[in-house]
Amino acid sequence: DAGVTQSPTHLIKTRGQHVTLRCSPISGHKSVSWYQQVLGQGPQFIFQYYEKEERGRGNFPDRFSARQFPNYSSELNVNALLLGDSALYLCASSSLLGGYEQYFGPGTRLTVT
Amino acid sequence: TQLLEQSPQFLSIQEGENLTVYCNSSSVFSSLQWYRQEPGEGPVLLVTVVTGGEVKKLKRLTFQFGDARKDSSLHITAAQPGDTGLYLCAGEKGKGAQKLVFGQGTRLTINP
Repeated sequence: DAGVTQSPTHLIKTRGQHVTLRCSPISGHKSVSWYQQVLGQGPQFIFQYYEKEERGRGNFPDRFSARQFPNYSSELNVNALLLGDSALYLCASSSLLGGYEQYFGPGTRLTVT
Repeated sequence: TQLLEQSPQFLSIQEGENLTVYCNSSSVFSSLQWYRQEPGEGPVLLVTVVTGGEVKKLKRLTFQFGDARKDSSLHITAAQPGDTGLYLCAGEKGKGAQKLVFGQGTRLTINP
């Protein structure tokens, strides 16, 4: 069975640009969450979507947005990139609404120069 | 302010030794998960503990959830080089909560 997949695996952007990251959940999972992991720290929650609706939002600026599609895949968009946005962006899926037993993808490494 | 504090942050020991990693908070969690993360990869779920005082074993790894559901520990017996990695604890606040709160991680190195 395929796990959570994310694309691209690596990305280099310039300050001020925007970026779109993509995630496909485990088959049958309807909940997708996004996390940001800065080097040397644990992941920080950005968004959760369940059945195509936003169900939770972390303490991130409005430059960050996301959406979930009818097939439960998801996109994370970040506008006006800052150097501090450089991080590993992780997508996690779960079969239930909420954080219980989330399964993570390999992440997208974003570098902002 | 870190809601979940892990200690130690770094640990380097010899193969065969035992170790314990702690995850502490002043907040109550409805469940707590432990993950292991390899460089360049996403966290992999090891275990979920739900009931206060619960103990779960996964081969040489023993996980315990505190009676008050505010803290947890991970004990590894006879550590092996394959145990090397970043260990993360994550708490869920409230049933059906919308997010996991992670600790900063414990980077474990097992030397042959």
